[in-house]
Amino acid sequence: DAKTTQPNSMESNEEEPVHLPCNHSTISGTDYIHWYRQLPSQGPEYVIHGLTSNVNNRMASLAIAEDRKSSTLILHRATLRDAAVYYCILRDVGYTDKLIFGTGTRLQVFP
Amino acid sequence: GAVVSQHPSRVICKSGTSVKIECRSLDFQATTMFWYRQFPKQSLMLMATSNEGSKATYEQGVEKDKFLINHASLTLSTLTVTSAHPEDSSFYICSARPGALATEAFFGQGTRLTVV
Repeated sequence: DAKTTQPNSMESNEEEPVHLPCNHSTISGTDYIHWYRQLPSQGPEYVIHGLTSNVNNRMASLAIAEDRKSSTLILHRATLRDAAVYYCILRDVGYTDKLIFGTGTRLQVFP
Repeated sequence: GAVVSQHPSRVICKSGTSVKIECRSLDFQATTMFWYRQFPKQSLMLMATSNEGSKATYEQGVEKDKFLINHASLTLSTLTVTSAHPEDSSFYICSARPGALATEAFFGQGTRLTVV
């Protein structure tokens, strides 16, 4: 499975935008970029995914670099409930169904 | 969205005993489910892939005789930690997708196992 690299932790103030980076320089052409987050003492939950184009949904936006070697998860206005560990994961739909988690980024949000 | 439910959410057991954790997909069928474990402040580690009607596939380094997985129906997978020891204390999480090509994976709420 292709590896991703994320900062261990980031901080934000409430109501401010948050940009969570992810490097995946060994990404293959068939790898989708998925983001999940895990709130304290809970199982992870899906946030967003993309292949080449930027994506928006009700939770976040995903900006993908033109060479696909990096991506950024954007939370437009952080709330206290967004404090979680965010995982960037590459998934090749055609090859395997399992998700391999990296170390993730622990996001702290301050009031 | 789809729901995956685990039971129990917390369990304390004595060393040497066995503990069974259930993972159910409540509103979809799952031919494949996944079991993870997570130690404090660490990421999720995939333990095994549970396949309905056949043997589970274990990741390298995971003892299949210690972590017994049964996937007897399309909505239920169980993980049994046999002869549990304190080092087995961990957060166990299951996951499933409503279809092999489904985008989103759904996770259970996790089971906190403490072995005393």
